[in-house]
Amino acid sequence: GAVVSQHPSWVICKSGTSVKIECRSLDFQATTMFWYRQFPKQSLMLMATSNEGSKATYEQGVEKDKFLINHASLTLSTLTVTSAHPEDSSFYICSARDWTSGAYEQYFGPGTRLTVT
Amino acid sequence: AQSVTQLGSHVSVSEGALVLLRCNYSSSVPPYLFWYVQYPNQGLQLLLKYTSAATLVKGINGFEAEFKKSETSFHLTKPSAHMSDAAEYFCAVSGQGGGNKLTFGTGTQLKVEL
Repeated sequence: GAVVSQHPSWVICKSGTSVKIECRSLDFQATTMFWYRQFPKQSLMLMATSNEGSKATYEQGVEKDKFLINHASLTLSTLTVTSAHPEDSSFYICSARDWTSGAYEQYFGPGTRLTVT
Repeated sequence: AQSVTQLGSHVSVSEGALVLLRCNYSSSVPPYLFWYVQYPNQGLQLLLKYTSAATLVKGINGFEAEFKKSETSFHLTKPSAHMSDAAEYFCAVSGQGGGNKLTFGTGTQLKVEL
């Protein structure tokens, strides 16, 4: 149980284009999902908290107009990187919180490797 | 406010030796504590968690951790390392209760040598 998937697992795009990454909770409902960014050999940095049916909450320093987050259902959140540039190249990981677990732990997706050329 | 400090960005042990990965936390509220493992180009897998019940927590793959409030520590141990344990390990903290964010440490790369 508690499986989170991400699609695509890797994507290469040209500078100036937009890329959408999907995060799905496969066997539980997730009212809250989180989006992280991880640079090589570094820790995870929280970008935003995505709540179903409401606007995402962005961390300080994260451009909300560049990283669009939509949490359209209890099992799906999307992150769109708009007008991507090479500095946006990174490993993006989502997680979903299973509220029924009692410990509010987060289950992580396998990540999406974005390369902007 | 919460933070996590992982001492030692790289730890190397021999196969069969004790694994000890250190984690100290700071939290203004009673914490939940987690250890995650990450293999290359993959997401994070939960090893174990402390949620204010037993202070000695047992996780998957033979790992365990002990919550020590007086030392604000949550060190991860395994009696005997296997080659398959080689990975990146992250300690994380959140406040108890719903809606709280995870704050991660900088990670410890574990290398297991023959």
